[in-house]
Amino acid sequence: ETGVTQSPTHLIKTRGQQVTLRCSSQSGHNTVSWYQQALGQGPQFIFQYYREEENGRGNFPPRFSGLQFPNYSSELNVNALELDDSALYLCASSLGGTSADTQYFGPGTRLTVL
Amino acid sequence: AQKVTQAQTEISVVEKEDVTLDCVYETRDTTYYLFWYKQPPSGELVFLIRRNSFDEQNEISGRYSWNFQKSTSSFNFTITASQVVDSAVYFCALSEARDTNAGKSTFGDGTTLTVKP
Repeated sequence: ETGVTQSPTHLIKTRGQQVTLRCSSQSGHNTVSWYQQALGQGPQFIFQYYREEENGRGNFPPRFSGLQFPNYSSELNVNALELDDSALYLCASSLGGTSADTQYFGPGTRLTVL
Repeated sequence: AQKVTQAQTEISVVEKEDVTLDCVYETRDTTYYLFWYKQPPSGELVFLIRRNSFDEQNEISGRYSWNFQKSTSSFNFTITASQVVDSAVYFCALSEARDTNAGKSTFGDGTTLTVKP
């Protein structure tokens, strides 16, 4: 069984640029959630996709957007990057989109914005 | 609003000591789920346990045990006979069944555990 994978591992961008992060969910999972983890803090929920539809969103501005594809892989797009966007971005997949479903996390993408 | 507090920022123990990581949560929902995750230096969050609000039975898994007490809104995690490989950041998380953001988990800020040989 393949776990959650994310790419790239590390990324360096400059302020104002746009970035796309990718996630492949665990086999059999139809739900993907994205989290932002700043240094020394716990992950913060960005949004969740369930069967290609956004299923919930945290307190992040619209420049954070996402997609989920028919194979349940997902992308996180961030436009107009700001210095505070520097963080570890974690993707988690689950069997369903409810609060009861355990989320399994990928290794993350570390984004640095200069 | 839901909230998770992990008051211990850092804990350092010597190998073979027992250690307890505290987690206190706030929720107005009667149905909710609590989780513990381990985050080693590699960054990946590793799932350890899920507990629903209707199951207050304590659980033991090898050297790990969890104590869930609704009366004090706590879900504490104990590692018995700690090992160097237990060194990591541990996160407690909460999901509410009635949260409109289905599937959203609220995390504490984590406890960094260092086990010294």
